[in-house]
Amino acid sequence: GEDVEQSLFLSVREGDSSVINCTYTDSSSTYLYWYKQEPGAGLQLLTYIFSNMDMKQDQRLTVLLNKKDKHLSLRIADTQTGDSAIYFCAERRSSASKIIFGSGTRLSIRP
Amino acid sequence: EPEVTQTPSHQVTQMGQEVILRCVPISNHLYFYWYRQILGQKVEFLVSFYNNEISEKSEIFDDQFSVERPDGSNFTLKIRSTKLEDSAMYFCASSERGQLNYGYTFGSGTRLTVV
Repeated sequence: GEDVEQSLFLSVREGDSSVINCTYTDSSSTYLYWYKQEPGAGLQLLTYIFSNMDMKQDQRLTVLLNKKDKHLSLRIADTQTGDSAIYFCAERRSSASKIIFGSGTRLSIRP
Repeated sequence: EPEVTQTPSHQVTQMGQEVILRCVPISNHLYFYWYRQILGQKVEFLVSFYNNEISEKSEIFDDQFSVERPDGSNFTLKIRSTKLEDSAMYFCASSERGQLNYGYTFGSGTRLTVV
């Protein structure tokens, strides 16, 4: 079946690293995404990783994929107040199929 | 940067009324989608549309829902007789065939409130 699970909340101190975790059930997931949703806004694609990759780094963002455990994480280095948002993990089996979203993790930043 | 545009941003309607949510996808995109997000819940897939027909739909997308691409630019979601539980944020998205990451570009959403 298709299911994507995330913890609902994460609070980190400004300047620390944030690590948002996600697990998925579909072993045939080919594309995995992280989307960001700021208050009142749509879903913004932050980064993605293909299932044949273990890691992807893009500036302050690092995505780690453990395909054996079906575990995906997003690390945000040097977290800033502008990173406050809901972060959605999502997966897609193929280019022809729909994207399935997790429930989202609300990241809050404390001074 | 190209955007997906949705109108209106907020719509209030009475139960039983028909609503049409409008979207203008990115002009060279060929795949179109509707998702919804009930307050505090997951973003749920409703329907995908390609080549002027529905390519996939979820269980939520029952006979009360329909989609249309009436011209070369708009993509609409119609709810025939709204129910209270249809209150949600509705997101339109589009994607380009051959896009490397196969991610979608989402609009900012239409908040539908059924009273």
